[in-house]
Amino acid sequence: AQSVTQLDSQVPVFEEAPVELRCNYSSSVSVYLFWYVQYPNQGLQLLLKYLSGSTLVESINGFEAEFNKSQTSFHLRKPSVHISDTAEYFCAVRRDSNYQLIWGAGTKLIIKP
Amino acid sequence: NAGVTQTPKFQVLKTGQSMTLQCAQDMNHEYMSWYRQDPGMGLRLIHYSVGAGITDQGEVPNGYNVSRSTTEDFPLRLLSAAPSQTSVYFCASSYSVSGQVPYEQYFGPGTRLTVT
Repeated sequence: AQSVTQLDSQVPVFEEAPVELRCNYSSSVSVYLFWYVQYPNQGLQLLLKYLSGSTLVESINGFEAEFNKSQTSFHLRKPSVHISDTAEYFCAVRRDSNYQLIWGAGTKLIIKP
Repeated sequence: NAGVTQTPKFQVLKTGQSMTLQCAQDMNHEYMSWYRQDPGMGLRLIHYSVGAGITDQGEVPNGYNVSRSTTEDFPLRLLSAAPSQTSVYFCASSYSVSGQVPYEQYFGPGTRLTVT
């Protein structure tokens, strides 16, 4: 069965430091990958997505993720985090059988001042 | 546009009670879904709909019913609440192509449900 694994439940990092949030997925026929962000007490919002083409995708607020087919990974990175990035981040992959999304357990990004 | 709206924001139920969580969207999206979010488990799909009159089960449908009589509304009914249904419930919508979930889902603010 397809699955998504987010390797860290929490990632603490100092403000202005770089961060990487890890996501691995089980292999599938087609690969559509997503990162969503959930700010405290809010619903989820799409951060970025990989559908096809360039393996490096970027968001408008400085995050980027790289699709690595050989390692079945889609890690999220930011070179310099801000307090406003405090949130929970979810990785998701589209299921082949019924096109629904399979979600990782989430990673809480904790920014230390 | 209001986007996706959910009511109520908070609800406390006693075991055995029933209730309906409301979800509405004003984006004319064909696809709507209900998820529950529990700590450390991410989001789990309860039910989804690819258009008015069409619904299907997700990963965890037991104890929940849905119907889709209009494009805008997708209510979730808890038939007989149990403590295991204590969770945060999110409704989401998106446009779809040939029933396929597209590339961005829009989420409501959530309903926090406690069953005692």
